[in-house]
Amino acid sequence: AQSVTQLGSHVSVSEGALVLLRCNYSSSVPPYLFWYVQYPNQGLQLLLKYTTGATLVKGINGFEAEFKKSETSFHLTKPSAHMSDAAEYFCAVTTLSGYALNFGKGTSLLVTP
Amino acid sequence: AAGVIQSPRHLIKEKRETATLKCYPIPRHDTVYWYQQGPGQDPQFLISFYEKMQSDKGSIPDRFSAQQFSDYHSELNMSSLELGDSALYFCASSPGVAGTDTQYFGPGTRLTVL
Repeated sequence: AQSVTQLGSHVSVSEGALVLLRCNYSSSVPPYLFWYVQYPNQGLQLLLKYTTGATLVKGINGFEAEFKKSETSFHLTKPSAHMSDAAEYFCAVTTLSGYALNFGKGTSLLVTP
Repeated sequence: AAGVIQSPRHLIKEKRETATLKCYPIPRHDTVYWYQQGPGQDPQFLISFYEKMQSDKGSIPDRFSAQQFSDYHSELNMSSLELGDSALYFCASSPGVAGTDTQYFGPGTRLTVL
């Protein structure tokens, strides 16, 4: 089975600082990897995804992630945090059958002034 | 752009009652997924449909059933509700069933079982 592990359930950064949210995957076959963001009392919004091709993936709101097969990682980064980035972030991988998403436990990002 | 519509947005039920949640996918999306997110938890996959047929099944209790209709909307039927069923239920739609297809999530239905 495919799964993802998000390191750090809570991450706090200062406004303007680098955002780094960690995600490692486990898969016996090439995975499809996703990052979703969830604002309070809202649905999940796709930030970016990796399927094949270029390993550095750019998403919305200035986020990007790099697929590193050697490290089985797909960490999410943003050069400069904004107060509006405060939210819950989920890394996800698709399964072998049916392509339902397997989510990590989520990382809550806090941005302080 | 049109998004996934879920109704109702909030639902309060008593134990042992039934509930029906509805999902209207983005136009021309033929695949629907249902997820359950407990308080402070990550979303858990319940069930999915492609072209009106069940395509995959996750951790859906036997008390729950779902179907996709000819207009591609989907309904999740929940019976004999338990306190532990209190959660946010998301529907997601995608333009296909491939792993590369993005799943677009609705705003969710918050179910509270008293």
